[in-house]
Parts: sequence; C-alpha cells; structure tokens
Amino acid sequence: GAGVSQTPSNKVTEKGKYVELRCDPISGHTALYWYRQSLGQGPEFLIYFQGTGAADDSGLPNDRFFAVRPEGSVSTLKIQRTERGDSAVYLCASSLRGAWTGELFFGEGSRLTVL
Amino acid sequence: KQEVTQIPAALSVPEGENLVLNCSFTDSAIYNLQWFRQDPGKGLTSLLLIQSSQREQTSGRLNASLDKSSGRSTLYIAASQPGDSATYLCAVTIIQGAQKLVFGQGTRLTINP
Repeated sequence: GAGVSQTPSNKVTEKGKYVELRCDPISGHTALYWYRQSLGQGPEFLIYFQGTGAADDSGLPNDRFFAVRPEGSVSTLKIQRTERGDSAVYLCASSLRGAWTGELFFGEGSRLTVL
Repeated sequence: KQEVTQIPAALSVPEGENLVLNCSFTDSAIYNLQWFRQDPGKGLTSLLLIQSSQREQTSGRLNASLDKSSGRSTLYIAASQPGDSATYLCAVTIIQGAQKLVFGQGTRLTINP
C-alpha cells in the first residue's frame, strides 16, 4: 500500500498474555520507529531500526518488550506477560532516510487494551 | 534529556478566530521542529516542518515559527474552522543518537461553529 500499515488496529488481551503488533512500512523506507501513546499524552519513543538492526532501543520500558525487523521491511513489536499499564496506542513510523530529514510517515496505530 | 512542553493542554474557541498554540523545548540541539495534527483514533499527519536554520514556515492558514535560542515555537492558525478541531502535537528531532522525535503532550483544539 501507499502508507504505513499497522495490524491489528485493536487488540484486547488479558493480563499475562503475549501480544505481537505488526508494522508494514512504506516500501523502500529503511528507517522505522515505534512509539507508544497513552491517553492524553504525546507519543513516547520506544525503538528505532535502520535496516534490520535496532539502532536505538533505549525507549523500551523493560525486558518484556522486544522488536524485530528481520528482513529490513516489516517489523513486529512483541510484548510478553502483558500488564494493564501496557494499555496504549502503539504507533509505527517510517522514513526513507531518517527522522532528521523531517519526512516521517505514521501509521494509524494499534490500540492495545490489557484487561 | 530533551523535554517538550505544550501550552495550553486544551483550547476551545469560536469559529473564525485566529489562535496561537505554544511549544517549548529544553535543549536547542535539534535538527528540526515539526507540528503534527492528530484526529481521534488516527495517526499523525505532519503539518509544518521547520529546519533548525529557519525561522518560520507557512502552509495555507497555518504559520509556524521557531526561536531555537529561546527554545520556543508557535503555531498560528488564521480564521479557524470547525474542521481544524483536532489535537496538535509539537515534536523536535534531537541530534544525539538515533535522531528520534521527542513529542510534547499536545494541545486539544475545539473550534465551535
């Protein structure tokens, strides 16, 4: 597609379960970012990929969170042993060269609710 | 650590008014500053991008200014319309590390017909 695609758009799970959120960036974009947005707040940085490698994962809150991008395109954010505090909208963004160019395109997000 | 603050958190004005949204940041070492629009349940749409060497950018009824030395930016919306109702987010791209965007918490704008 023409834009950044995120699936699922909504996910409801129970505390303690495992969750995967998928991001399909714009074709050819080498830079990929994951952000988390809680209600009424701005997005918070989680992790940045340049190609297949995580160039900066300093925003991941703890070791329950992990992200991969094995072929340099699609990325999956994985959350183990989910907690109610993980409930948020998880946003993915991609860029041809990186955020410093200002050309960053966001998906519509995956809304995660942990009961 | 870069921190971005937006004031006010919410704003409600009648249609047709001109308005200003404010953004401040603590570290002037930035590549650029962007203003985004976010509609409920949607992703972010970039409105204006100001490079660190620039002072302002304009697009239609929108004008954004940047004073890097004082760590401030404003978004001016002229002749507001109900369709402008949304959350407006300010973000700076930091120079250190992964050049990531650091966002403010947003201003929720309501334009009343």
